[in-house]
Amino acid sequence: NAGVTQTPKFQVLKTGQSMTLQCAQDMNHNSMYWYRQDPGMGLRLIYYSASEGTTDKGEVPNGYNVSRLNKREFSLRLESAAPSQTSVYFCASSEWTGGPVEQFFGPGTRLTVL
Amino acid sequence: DAKTTQPPSMDCAEGRAANLPCNHSTISGNEYVYWYRQIHSQGPQYIIHGLKNNETNEMASLIITEDRKSSTLILPHATLRDTAVYYCIVRGTLGTYKYIFGTGTRLKVLA
Repeated sequence: NAGVTQTPKFQVLKTGQSMTLQCAQDMNHNSMYWYRQDPGMGLRLIYYSASEGTTDKGEVPNGYNVSRLNKREFSLRLESAAPSQTSVYFCASSEWTGGPVEQFFGPGTRLTVL
Repeated sequence: DAKTTQPPSMDCAEGRAANLPCNHSTISGNEYVYWYRQIHSQGPQYIIHGLKNNETNEMASLIITEDRKSSTLILPHATLRDTAVYYCIVRGTLGTYKYIFGTGTRLKVLA
């Protein structure tokens, strides 16, 4: 099992450019999440998808859109990148069992916006 | 979800127990305590979780006070590879599924 995979690993954009970060999981999890982590900070939730077909905003959704393409894949799109979006982006997934839930994280995408 | 408070940094000698405290005085009855760690900018890694009883697994032990307002993560024999940022998170099981990460405790294990 690969777990949670993210592409690309690194990306440099110019202000105003757009891009999509890809995330896939092979654990048959229902729920998926996108976080961002700025230097010296904890992770902040951008968007999440509790199950296939649903998405909801997290703490910091402005400037982002998401698509839950199928059960495996959850993408994050920056329509018009800004320097404030320079960050490390982590995707995560979890089951929904009705009880306590462990999240599994991907390795991250390091994004720089110039 | 309840807010947590952790010391920003701690040091521990290699081979000794590392005790990482967390305060969650506003925790409610159905909320679990989770611990994750993040090694050098990798994705966070799950360590352990508990509700009110003490828990132990191959990585660590979790001690939750009787009033559940605080907890301690114990790494019994810290190694250099345990150097990481440790996050204490409190969340329930109902409603949304999100975690709220704080800034964690930066543990440095010293040789």
